[in-house]
Amino acid sequence: ETGVTQSPTHLIKTRGQQVTLRCSSQSGHNTVSWYQQALGQGPQFIFQYYREEENGRGNFPPRFSGLQFPNYSSELNVNALELDDSALYLCASSLLFTSLSYNEQFFGPGTRLTVL
Amino acid sequence: ELKVEQNPLFLSMQEGKNYTIYCNYSTTSDRLYWYRQDPGKSLESLFVLLSNGAVKQEGRLMASLDTKARLSTLHITAAVHDLSATYFCAVGREGQAGTALIFGKGTTLSVSS
Repeated sequence: ETGVTQSPTHLIKTRGQQVTLRCSSQSGHNTVSWYQQALGQGPQFIFQYYREEENGRGNFPPRFSGLQFPNYSSELNVNALELDDSALYLCASSLLFTSLSYNEQFFGPGTRLTVL
Repeated sequence: ELKVEQNPLFLSMQEGKNYTIYCNYSTTSDRLYWYRQDPGKSLESLFVLLSNGAVKQEGRLMASLDTKARLSTLHITAAVHDLSATYFCAVGREGQAGTALIFGKGTTLSVSS
């Protein structure tokens, strides 16, 4: 069974640039959620994708957008980067909407984004 | 708005001692999760608690859930250095915003001899 993978591991960008982060979900999972974890804080929910559509969104501006592909992998795109976007970005995969599902989310290793 | 509060935020323990981390949440939920995070690493799932009175144990860690009090506890028995990490509780929130996990700020545990 393959776990959740993310790429790249680290990324350095400058203010105003755009970035794309990638996530491959765990085998058998149909849902991907993205979280932002600032230094010293708990992860904050950005959004969730199920069946290639956004299934819910946290309190993040529209410049945070995403995609989910037919193989359940996902991308997180952030436009017009700001200094406060510097964080660890975690994706988590889960199996949603089945009788045995309780949305246990399994996290990938994360992408450390630094905005200068 | 669902809020999750953990205390203490920092905990310095001696090896062999017992302690409890508390997790309070503000609205009803029947799903409570505990995760562990080592420095610079991702989140490792420890426990999933799904009903009132649920208790789960793994090694020196035991988690419990009281949905009426909106309280979960993570009890550490006879701490060892390997338990040093940050522990997060998270509450499952379902609704228009999808099935999100709402995390506390975490409790950083340091175990020394």
